[in-house]
Amino acid sequence: AQKITQTQPGMFVQEKEAVTLDCTYDTSDPSYGLFWYKQPSSGEMIFLIYQGSYDQQNATEGRYSLNFQKARKSANLVISASQLGDSAMYFCAMRLAGNNRKLIWGLGTSLAVNP
Amino acid sequence: DVKVTQSSRYLVKRTGEKVFLECVQDMDHENMFWYRQDPGLGLRLIYFSYDVKMKEKGDIPEGYSVSREKKERFSLILESASTNQTSMYLCASSTQGAGWPRGTYEQYFGPGTRLTVT
Repeated sequence: AQKITQTQPGMFVQEKEAVTLDCTYDTSDPSYGLFWYKQPSSGEMIFLIYQGSYDQQNATEGRYSLNFQKARKSANLVISASQLGDSAMYFCAMRLAGNNRKLIWGLGTSLAVNP
Repeated sequence: DVKVTQSSRYLVKRTGEKVFLECVQDMDHENMFWYRQDPGLGLRLIYFSYDVKMKEKGDIPEGYSVSREKKERFSLILESASTNQTSMYLCASSTQGAGWPRGTYEQYFGPGTRLTVT
């Protein structure tokens, strides 16, 4: 079954430290893309970073990087130098070639950054 | 900047009322989506549209209908609101992207509508 799993319902990190949010995916489709979104308490979903299945290098976007391990089917989000404003829900999602308009979503991880 | 707007941030309706949630995007995107979000259940797709007057059911279409008469506007309709439709509703849009998966073509989201049905 095509599925996204985020095993950490909640995470805590100290300000200025790095944190890794886990995401594993399940698909047999060779063509897919993986997204991470952030949802602050205000409710709006903010796109953070994307990794395509054919991309050779791990995606990076400022303090965000994606640790993409294709053989393990994992696409973990790494946030470096955490800031108080990083406190939010984080969602991993997958887009497949077979139905490439929709996204398959994980249930999210709640991140709290402590001062 | 891509902008997706939703008609209301907060809405309170009574059971049995017909409810319209409106979503407008300004980037000429082909695809538009309606999700509902409930604690512990993540985002669940209600309906999506890939062209004017074209729609497809998502994972939880029961109790909802949609309308897309113009490319920029996608409406979600609750024909007869019920208390179990109290939720956060999120609209999103995206371009299809001929080069995908080489290229992001992410979904852009509106601010959400928190609907309470009493």
